[in-house]
Amino acid sequence: NAGVTQTPKFQVLKTGQSMTLQCAQDMNHNSMYWYRQDPGMGLRLIYYSASEGTTDKGEVPNGYNVSRLNKREFSLRLESAAPSQTSVYFCASSEAGPGLAGDSYNEQFFGPGTRLTVL
Amino acid sequence: ILNVEQSPQSLHVQEGDSTNFTCSFPSSNFYALHWYRWETAKSPEALFVMTLNGDEKKKGRISATLNTKEGYSYLYIKGSQPEDSATYLCAFYTGANNLFFGTGTRLTVIP
Repeated sequence: NAGVTQTPKFQVLKTGQSMTLQCAQDMNHNSMYWYRQDPGMGLRLIYYSASEGTTDKGEVPNGYNVSRLNKREFSLRLESAAPSQTSVYFCASSEAGPGLAGDSYNEQFFGPGTRLTVL
Repeated sequence: ILNVEQSPQSLHVQEGDSTNFTCSFPSSNFYALHWYRWETAKSPEALFVMTLNGDEKKKGRISATLNTKEGYSYLYIKGSQPEDSATYLCAFYTGANNLFFGTGTRLTVIP
């Protein structure tokens, strides 16, 4: 049981290049998320997918696109990378939305992160 | 965008000391408050999910309380150990699948 996996672990891009960050979970979770972590700031939600076939914008979606390929996989695409997208990216999953009253399994499970540098 | 504040930003304690830190969040539109533990070079791991005013949760030497009316949660660590050294994150959920994270309290336990 690998939990949440992300590839790649590290990536360096030049401004204007594109790339896709891959995320997969083997916990049969319905919801998946992409966050970015920048120094001095909390984790910020880029996009999320509440269930297979749906995606929605989070707090900082500009410059990104996502695909919920199936229940297991949720990818994040940078079409034209910019230096402002230099960050550490975390994928996460949860059984369902994180606030259903009384549910104890809405904690989020995080992947190991991808450190992206855009030059 | 919601303001979730954690204090202090960092603290150092001696092994064996007990400590606590605070997470402040808006008192309106409350659904849930999450606590995560984030060790260096690893990914965040959930400690507690709290949903009801007055909730108290405990896991080993770590416990948390919740006051939704005044908008704060406390995390307590009793008898700190070096392995407790980590950043402790809280996150506030208002519904619509959006979790707002604080910047964390970085705890260092000195042996």
